[in-house]
Amino acid sequence: DAKTTQPNSMESNEEEPVHLPCNHSTISGTDYIHWYRQLPSQGPEYVIHGLTSNVNNRMASLAIAEDRKSSTLILHRATLRDAAVYYCIPHFGNEKLTFGTGTRLTIIP
Amino acid sequence: DTEVTQTPKHLVMGMTNKKSLKCEQHMGHRAMYWYKQKAKKPPELMFVYSYEKLSINESVPSRFSPECPNSSLLNLHLHALQPEDSALYLCASSQGVAGVNNEQFFGPGTRLTVL
Repeated sequence: DAKTTQPNSMESNEEEPVHLPCNHSTISGTDYIHWYRQLPSQGPEYVIHGLTSNVNNRMASLAIAEDRKSSTLILHRATLRDAAVYYCIPHFGNEKLTFGTGTRLTIIP
Repeated sequence: DTEVTQTPKHLVMGMTNKKSLKCEQHMGHRAMYWYKQKAKKPPELMFVYSYEKLSINESVPSRFSPECPNSSLLNLHLHALQPEDSALYLCASSQGVAGVNNEQFFGPGTRLTVL
């Protein structure tokens, strides 16, 4: 499994954009980059995934570096409900999701 | 229905008890998973069932015994647990077992305390 490095914690003001970085320098050519988040007292939930191109969905955007060694999850307008632990997970189509330590995001009202 | 349900929400058991955790999904998913999460740590995979057959066992002690009676149900039978087994047990499901678009859907977990 590719090793990931994420900041332990980040803070952001409510209604401002948040950029959550992830380094995955050992990622293989076939690994997609998946992001999950875990809100307090809940199970993880899928956020977004991508391979090479930037991706957008209703929850977030994913910007992937050209060399694929890093990626950034972008929350365009943070709300209090976005306070969670965010996990970046290189993953290729098998059953195993290997969670790293993630980034604990705090939203300041 | 895009929900994975888990019962019970909380469970306290002694080291000599036998108990079971239950997980259910009605999304037609053919892969189901058990994860264990200790406080302030990330989830760790325990078991994977694919088409109701055990496909991955991450060297989990035999005091944890999974069962998949049908494609919608997943159980985790617990026996002779240790206090260090106290954790949040998460169930998840996904549409298939391979393929990059297999988003995993997680339940809220069962918080287990072993006395």
